[in-house]
Amino acid sequence: GEDVEQSLFLSVREGDSSVINCTYTDSSSTYLYWYKQEPGAGLQLLTYIFSNMDMKQDQRLTVLLNKKDKHLSLRIADTQTGDSAIYFCAENYTGNQFYFGTGTSLTVIP
Amino acid sequence: DVKVTQSSRYLVKRTGEKVFLECVQDMDHENMFWYRQDPGLGLRLIYFSYDVKMKEKGDIPEGYSVSREKKERFSLILESASTNQTSMYLCASSAPGQGSYGYTFGSGTRLTVV
Repeated sequence: GEDVEQSLFLSVREGDSSVINCTYTDSSSTYLYWYKQEPGAGLQLLTYIFSNMDMKQDQRLTVLLNKKDKHLSLRIADTQTGDSAIYFCAENYTGNQFYFGTGTSLTVIP
Repeated sequence: DVKVTQSSRYLVKRTGEKVFLECVQDMDHENMFWYRQDPGLGLRLIYFSYDVKMKEKGDIPEGYSVSREKKERFSLILESASTNQTSMYLCASSAPGQGSYGYTFGSGTRLTVV
């Protein structure tokens, strides 16, 4: 369950949608998470999805989970410059311990 | 507002020094964690603790030790700092069984070893 993979960089134009992808290896994960890290700060929980769900929507954020392919994605609608940050996906297959992806650095171009 | 507080935002230490990174949480969480973050490598777990005086090695414990004498405080110790320990260090806490809350992170300590 330790191999959580993400692409390192993504650039989008302001107002477009961003899609950040993540693949994980442990199908027994109960929850999967998306965290946001702004420059010089710690990680902030953005949203999570329970493993028996396919989709979760929260305002501009949509999380899609494909358990068969072990693929998680985060879609940000109407991306703003304030969305520029590093986004981490994480899984918690042991209950108390999480494994994080490498992080995707999102740059929003005005 | 719940908090995880790391005592220093920036630290510069010399090679060979003993370094203490402090983390305090006010949420009465049982679980506490230390990660280091490096570009392209994401977060790597150094040590964690599920209870007072309990500690477990994570994926990269070499060169580090920890102390948890009180529930709210989890300290990371670099016994003899080396330049390859220059990194961002992140502390986190969580409550067991509250998966939907995830971890709460501190703001991080950026350590430079010269």
